[in-house]
Amino acid sequence: GAVVSQHPSWVICKSGTSVKIECRSLDFQATTMFWYRQFPKQSLMLMATSNEGSKATYEQGVEKDKFLINHASLTLSTLTVTSAHPEDSSFYICSASSDSSFYNEQFFGPGTRLTVL
Amino acid sequence: RKEVEQDPGPFNVPEGATVAFNCTYSNSASQSFFWYRQDCRKEPKLLMSVYSSGNEDGRFTAQLNRASQYISLLIRDSKLSDSATYLCVVTDTGGFKTIFGAGTRLFVKA
Repeated sequence: GAVVSQHPSWVICKSGTSVKIECRSLDFQATTMFWYRQFPKQSLMLMATSNEGSKATYEQGVEKDKFLINHASLTLSTLTVTSAHPEDSSFYICSASSDSSFYNEQFFGPGTRLTVL
Repeated sequence: RKEVEQDPGPFNVPEGATVAFNCTYSNSASQSFFWYRQDCRKEPKLLMSVYSSGNEDGRFTAQLNRASQYISLLIRDSKLSDSATYLCVVTDTGGFKTIFGAGTRLFVKA
């Protein structure tokens, strides 16, 4: 299957700082990338959907000024958590899909575990 | 009503057992259906896509009933390594909106 990488895999930061998470599709062109958040013992919650070269579409309740998403190329999307607070501590997972896939399946990165102190 | 609903679980089964997971979805216009598995503290991994005619991959069989808006996953001859959370995933046409079920936890015991 297609490979998606994420970096960093885990990060600890102080409250008020900003954290950038990178998501890369390594062996295919990702026309669409998705960002999810998962709290312990809960399912994935979609935060936003981004298409290369255009602004991300945010889900209801997700602050676009707090969670900045950039999808500058067909292989890279970034999520920046600005002015992070302890309640932002979570498991952030990206996924990517390609228009060339008939079923539009998503391939997930390994996730980034964010802890805000 | 949730857009995608799954059996609450957890399922505790012995090795070798057959276990079935059910999933219902509310949007009749949904186009693509998948089962993912997620291990503890890991990302979801695609287990199988679900086709209208049903499909089988080794010990795993997936079925789709569009009329009833129902998807199922059958695991035969359960292995210890099958222990995970199984996520039912539904997407709309074009894959722009993806909804995950809450997941069903499976524990396979020796």
